[in-house]
Amino acid sequence: DVVMTQSPLSLPVTLGQPASISCRSSHSLVSSDGNTYLNWFQQRPGQSPRRLIYKVSNRDSGVPDRFSGSGSGTDFTLKISRVEAEDVGVYYCMQHTHWPPYTFGQGTKLEIK
Amino acid sequence: EVQLVESGGGLVQPGGSLRLSCAASGFTFSNYWMSWVRQAPGKGLEWVANIKQDGSEKYYVDSVKGRFTISRDNAKNSLFLQMNSLRAEDTAVYYCAKDGDGYIQPPFDYWGQGTLVTVSS
Repeated sequence: DVVMTQSPLSLPVTLGQPASISCRSSHSLVSSDGNTYLNWFQQRPGQSPRRLIYKVSNRDSGVPDRFSGSGSGTDFTLKISRVEAEDVGVYYCMQHTHWPPYTFGQGTKLEIK
Repeated sequence: EVQLVESGGGLVQPGGSLRLSCAASGFTFSNYWMSWVRQAPGKGLEWVANIKQDGSEKYYVDSVKGRFTISRDNAKNSLFLQMNSLRAEDTAVYYCAKDGDGYIQPPFDYWGQGTLVTVSS
């Protein structure tokens, strides 16, 4: 199975400052069709997960443009350009290139400093 | 508006069984794979199982193989998870999630609110 490793696991950020979360996979996530199937999810306290980014860098509808995804191969990053209070929660990366199973990272808890 | 509504969770003794249901609306259910994803208390997300549009393919995480069975009823826009031989480590919130279409649409653009399963004596 592909292991997804996120860092940091805890991320205190000052309002208005940028934030960055790293996600590394144990195998390259480039598929035989040339696509890279890496998603990012946000889970606010007490809520269900919400997909933010699909295929590395594509923002879902309604996701603010302060969220961006990048990376290739085994190294990926989620960036928030200016953190707002509503961004508090846990962020997960997930791969679906090599499945089953789909595998998630451990989660990164973003809090306001 | 896409809606996924889970039901069937509750308290069950170790070794017991439970059947979860997910009622889907707002999209063409029969066009998509569907998944169950769980989250143990205070822990991260774990994919549990998924099922193809016509039910012809089903996949499971190793830890539930032989104990859990995923199924669907496209006529009723419903997804199910039959859980047998439950263990304490199966305690979690179980989410129903809209999976991909197998071609273009990537998985998990919509999630239900979750249903809590507690395995304890």
